[in-house]
Amino acid sequence: GNSVTQMEGPVTLSEEAFLTINCTYTATGYPSLFWYVQYPGEGLQLLLKATKADDKGSNKGFEATYRKETTSFHLEKGSVQVSDSAVYFCALTSFSGGYNKLIFGAGTRLAVHP
Amino acid sequence: NAGVTQTPKFQVLKTGQSMTLQCAQDMNHEYMSWYRQDPGMGLRLIHYSVGAGITDQGEVPNGYNVSRSTTEDFPLRLLSAAPSQTSVYFCASSYAGDQPQHFGDGTRLSIL
Repeated sequence: GNSVTQMEGPVTLSEEAFLTINCTYTATGYPSLFWYVQYPGEGLQLLLKATKADDKGSNKGFEATYRKETTSFHLEKGSVQVSDSAVYFCALTSFSGGYNKLIFGAGTRLAVHP
Repeated sequence: NAGVTQTPKFQVLKTGQSMTLQCAQDMNHEYMSWYRQDPGMGLRLIHYSVGAGITDQGEVPNGYNVSRSTTEDFPLRLLSAAPSQTSVYFCASSYAGDQPQHFGDGTRLSIL
């Protein structure tokens, strides 16, 4: 079945460092891909999305490109801030039972220090 | 501008007790879902609904019931709580299953 694999955390960086969080997926067909962010004590918020191969999603300085050839959707940011400390989830759509659903990765915790 | 509202925020139950987690959305979304979040496992889908009167099982449905009598509300019922159901529960809604989902702030549930 469809699945998402994320790099294990925690990822610990200094402020202004470059961030990469790896995400690879297994899927049939052409799923949409998402990154969600969860700040402490809150629910998940959509960070960015891409709906077809070679699309680049971007938001708040974060970017991710839908790479069908490598089945990847890695999250990047050029210069992280302390306020970016959160848990990041990669997700994809999965069609089964007649309906689309979201499949989430395990999440990657990011800690940014001043 | 409430979005998705979950109640309660925290709950402690004893094994064998029953309870209902409430979820309401004011965005007229057809698609609603319940997830549980456990350390190292991401979010796992419990049940979902594609409209009033229509529900289906997700990845981990055992021990939970749902119903969808209105577009706005999608309660999750624990029939006989077990310690394995200790988790953080999130409700989400969207226009469709392949569209970005809006999440509530979660209910932290402990079963003793």
